[in-house]
Amino acid sequence: DAGITQSPRYKITETGRQVTLMCHQTWSHSYMFWYRQDLGHGLRLIYYSAAADITDKGEVPDGYVVSRSKTENFPLTLESATRSQTSVYFCASSEQLAGAIYNEQFFGPGTRLTVL
Amino acid sequence: GEDVEQSLFLSVREGDSSVINCTYTDSSSTYLYWYKQEPGAGLQLLTYIFSNMDMKQDQRLTVLLNKKDKHLSLRIADTQTGDSAIYFCAEGDNTDKLIFGTGTRLQVFP
Repeated sequence: DAGITQSPRYKITETGRQVTLMCHQTWSHSYMFWYRQDLGHGLRLIYYSAAADITDKGEVPDGYVVSRSKTENFPLTLESATRSQTSVYFCASSEQLAGAIYNEQFFGPGTRLTVL
Repeated sequence: GEDVEQSLFLSVREGDSSVINCTYTDSSSTYLYWYKQEPGAGLQLLTYIFSNMDMKQDQRLTVLLNKKDKHLSLRIADTQTGDSAIYFCAEGDNTDKLIFGTGTRLQVFP
């Protein structure tokens, strides 16, 4: 399917387990982002990537790892899940177009992660 | 640091106007955005305004920007039940990163 997809949509795991959330986009956008959404905090940026093999930390990167070996994929890994990482995770992508008057980010449907 | 604040909830009657407010702190913001999140979905861009503009109108939506006070608002005229959602303001500079607000949950009742 065209667009940006995330999998799984729902995940329940236990404290200490490793979890990987997948994100795939079909537009070949250069930029990809991972956010977490928590009540009272809005969306907070975890990591972002400007291109394949280029990643950088956002506001709340601790406890997360990302990779970007291919332009279209941007997986997010929780190496040892904690209860505080229970959240809804959104992946987004965008393209920096020459002369663009704004940069729209396109969001996936989200993954609801519960850490018990 | 950068911070974008919004009130958490707004409740309006169908047919009335809704006004969602946002304050931001980064005076270098080039663009300011409003995103809409419907239940169980990701965010979608609703509208945006360039920082050198005071107002932008797009059908039922009116965006007002007060740069001096770093205040952004979104007015929805003739609010409908389909407008019930969470609305996020966001500020951006010349990079592709955005700073999102806390989100305002708009509830429209008949």
